[in-house]
Amino acid sequence: AQSVTQLGSHVSVSEGALVLLRCNYSSSVPPYLFWYVQYPNQGLQLLLKYTSAATLVKGINGFEADFKKSETSFHLTKPSAHMSDAAEYFCAVSDKNTGNQFYFGTGTSLTVIP
Amino acid sequence: DTAVSQTPKYLVTQMGNDKSIKCEQNLGHDTMYWYKQDSKKFLKIMFSYNNKELIINETVPNRFSPKSPDKAHLNLHINSLELGDSAVYFCASSPRGQTGEAFFGQGTRLTVV
Repeated sequence: AQSVTQLGSHVSVSEGALVLLRCNYSSSVPPYLFWYVQYPNQGLQLLLKYTSAATLVKGINGFEADFKKSETSFHLTKPSAHMSDAAEYFCAVSDKNTGNQFYFGTGTSLTVIP
Repeated sequence: DTAVSQTPKYLVTQMGNDKSIKCEQNLGHDTMYWYKQDSKKFLKIMFSYNNKELIINETVPNRFSPKSPDKAHLNLHINSLELGDSAVYFCASSPRGQTGEAFFGQGTRLTVV
């Protein structure tokens, strides 16, 4: 079975500092991986996705993620945090074993300190 | 032009009632989903459905049932509501194939009193 683990349910960074949100996956086949962001009282919005093309994936709002098969990781980074980045972030996985289903990690709440 | 729309956005109801949440997508996607997000923000898939197959998460009580009148709609019916059903319910859709991301609605906050 596939699963996603997000280390750190809460992450705080200072404005302008590096953002690093961790995601590890387990899958018996090459997965497709996604990062979503959820702002308060809103739905989930796709930040970026990995679908077996380039391992370094660039997304919206300056975020990027690096797929590392050897570490089964897909960590999300942003060089300089902005106050507007404060939100909940979810890593998700899908693969052919799940059909078209997406399985989400438990989420990481990002706080940006002015 | 909203891609995935849910109604209502807020729903407050008493225990024991039956309620429905509607979902419509105008993206032409083949697969639709219902997710439940609890107070700790955990997202749990409840159902996924395309025009051929309904996949049910076995942990979902049979009081919950999806109804799809056509490819663009997947409504969620809940019978005999319980306090523990209080949560935010998200509808989503995705195109055929695993590389397509899921698009989410804005959510329906259900409160059972």
